[in-house]
Amino acid sequence: AQSVTQLDSQVPVFEEAPVELRCNYSSSVSVYLFWYVQYPNQGLQLLLKYLSGSTLVKGINGFEAEFNKSQTSFHLRKPSVHISDTAEYFCAFIRSNDYKLSFGAGTTVTVRA
Amino acid sequence: DTAVSQTPKYLVTQMGNDKSIKCEQNLGHDTMYWYKQDSKKFLKIMFSYNNKELIINETVPNRFSPKSPDKAHLNLHINSLELGDSAVYFCASSQGVTGEETQYFGPGTRLLVL
Repeated sequence: AQSVTQLDSQVPVFEEAPVELRCNYSSSVSVYLFWYVQYPNQGLQLLLKYLSGSTLVKGINGFEAEFNKSQTSFHLRKPSVHISDTAEYFCAFIRSNDYKLSFGAGTTVTVRA
Repeated sequence: DTAVSQTPKYLVTQMGNDKSIKCEQNLGHDTMYWYKQDSKKFLKIMFSYNNKELIINETVPNRFSPKSPDKAHLNLHINSLELGDSAVYFCASSQGVTGEETQYFGPGTRLLVL
């Protein structure tokens, strides 16, 4: 099945520590990859996206992600998190043949002081 | 100057009722979407319109009917509401349908069916 898998459902992390959220995808055609963030009781906001070119993508709020075609992964990282990064993070893709945004199940990041 | 707005923000209703959720975007985009987020936070696309034409119609019960009066609006009407319809419904918009475009999401409408 063609899908997006987020390997961690919950990630607790201390303030100022680094965080990595793992995302793998499965697709028989080329894909565009996205990370969205959902703060409590709000809509989704794009953090970053990979369309083509450089495999290291920098996004907003200090986040970055690396596209690895051989491992079909698109992991999200931040070197030092803040309390305000507490949110739900969604990895998503669009396949080149259907243009529908398909989401992973989400990773809940809780940042503690 | 909210980019994508939805009304109402909260909706509590009885089983069997009919209700509508409205969405408006002021970004000048030509494509709009409806997503459903269930209680486990899983997000799934329901519909998409491009220039008022339906382009994505996922496996959704016929009780759900989207309507796009113009490019800036996409409303969702739900007939004969069921308990399982309880969810958060998000509207989104983008410029174009190639897949490269960023989708901008509204704040969501929290629907509770009793």
